[in-house]
Amino acid sequence: KNEVEQSPQNLTAQEGEFITINCSYSVGISALHWLQQHPGGGIVSLFMLSSGKKKHGRLIATINIQEKHSSLHITASHPRDSAVYICAVPYSGGGADGLTFGKGTHLIIQP
Amino acid sequence: KAGVTQTPRYLIKTRGQQVTLSCSPISGHRSVSWYQQTPGQGLQFLFEYFSETQRNKGNFPGRFSGRQFSNSRSEMNVSTLELGDSALYLCASSPGQKNSPLHFGNGTRLTVT
Repeated sequence: KNEVEQSPQNLTAQEGEFITINCSYSVGISALHWLQQHPGGGIVSLFMLSSGKKKHGRLIATINIQEKHSSLHITASHPRDSAVYICAVPYSGGGADGLTFGKGTHLIIQP
Repeated sequence: KAGVTQTPRYLIKTRGQQVTLSCSPISGHRSVSWYQQTPGQGLQFLFEYFSETQRNKGNFPGRFSGRQFSNSRSEMNVSTLELGDSALYLCASSPGQKNSPLHFGNGTRLTVT
């Protein structure tokens, strides 16, 4: 089973700041997921990446397969970015049968 | 396209009872996976089904079981409920191929008293 470590666990920042959340995992994987969870429980998939870098609006995700490490960046952060961000990898490494998760980063952006 | 639908949204049960939760995937998706979320343990993988077959299972006791029907809808069952089973139960669907993105339902919040 893959082990996933995420940091920081909690992060409070001011509006406009550049945010970085880190994720490392123990076993080689085919792809890594970044998820967003708002209060109330709904989870949205932000990115799935297997190499390099992806960008959606103000969100950027990078992955280094050799170092087993990924980062999620938020540029020009806004209070609506406040949420829990969760890194996840395939449970068995292979990629088609469920996920194992980091503990999540609770992000608060203050106006 | 309708999203992933979980029913019921909220459930209150008593210790020792059993419960069945339902998940309807996005049309065309053949994989359904189930997860338990608690404040202490975070999100944990329960099991995953593809075309009515369980492909993988997490580290949960046998009281937790599931199944998938031919229309890809899935149910999970928890027997002999314990207080510690109180949690948010989430399901996710995907087409089922390697590295398919997941689409999550809004979850069922189970409270065991």
